[in-house]
Amino acid sequence: QKEVEQDPGPLSVPEGAIVSLNCTYSNSAFQYFMWYRQYSRKGPELLMYTYSSGNKEDGRFTAQVDKSSKYISLFIRDSQPSDSATYLCAMFQTGANNLFFGTGTRLTVIP
Amino acid sequence: KAGVTQTPRYLIKTRGQQVTLSCSPISGHRSVSWYQQTPGQGLQFLFEYFSETQRNKGNFPGRFSGRQFSNSRSEMNVSTLELGDSALYLCASSLGAGATDTQYFGPGTRLTVL
Repeated sequence: QKEVEQDPGPLSVPEGAIVSLNCTYSNSAFQYFMWYRQYSRKGPELLMYTYSSGNKEDGRFTAQVDKSSKYISLFIRDSQPSDSATYLCAMFQTGANNLFFGTGTRLTVIP
Repeated sequence: KAGVTQTPRYLIKTRGQQVTLSCSPISGHRSVSWYQQTPGQGLQFLFEYFSETQRNKGNFPGRFSGRQFSNSRSEMNVSTLELGDSALYLCASSLGAGATDTQYFGPGTRLTVL
């Protein structure tokens, strides 16, 4: 079983829709959770960074962590065509040396 | 401030050959990590270098090696290439060692092994 599982999609939504992206994980020691966005032919860029459980909001983006269920989510409100990209979840535990990534979900927002 | 740069951007090699990829981190960053990205496996950690020392290594065969120079630039080498080595190789730089500091990724080197 992989440490981090993520539905690869692809996911297509109309402009203005609310998007929900999710990851599950198996290591209960993970405490730091991130979402990266990767545009075609580019490297991943950090979008959201949360610690432990709870919600974090940044503009149209909300990251949610449920440690009891080992489940994290990224919500995108009022989705725009410019949000079309692959979204990768990543996580690690305290003292870790490297990140564990999901395989990424490809999102397309249709104008 | 310039971002992470990787050269070359694209590379085509044949089985059995070796390849060297280069990564220049953001100025002032001392840690460089390398990842392999494939559609099926996603991003998998290869190794991390900090102050010219390999701090951590992922679960890859010894054909994958790397090094870091005194200016923090890093190179990754893959010897005896196999078809399965075809992937996007990403490097990421950060100020400090370990996973706590934000990692900034380069655009990657797309390696195709024929």
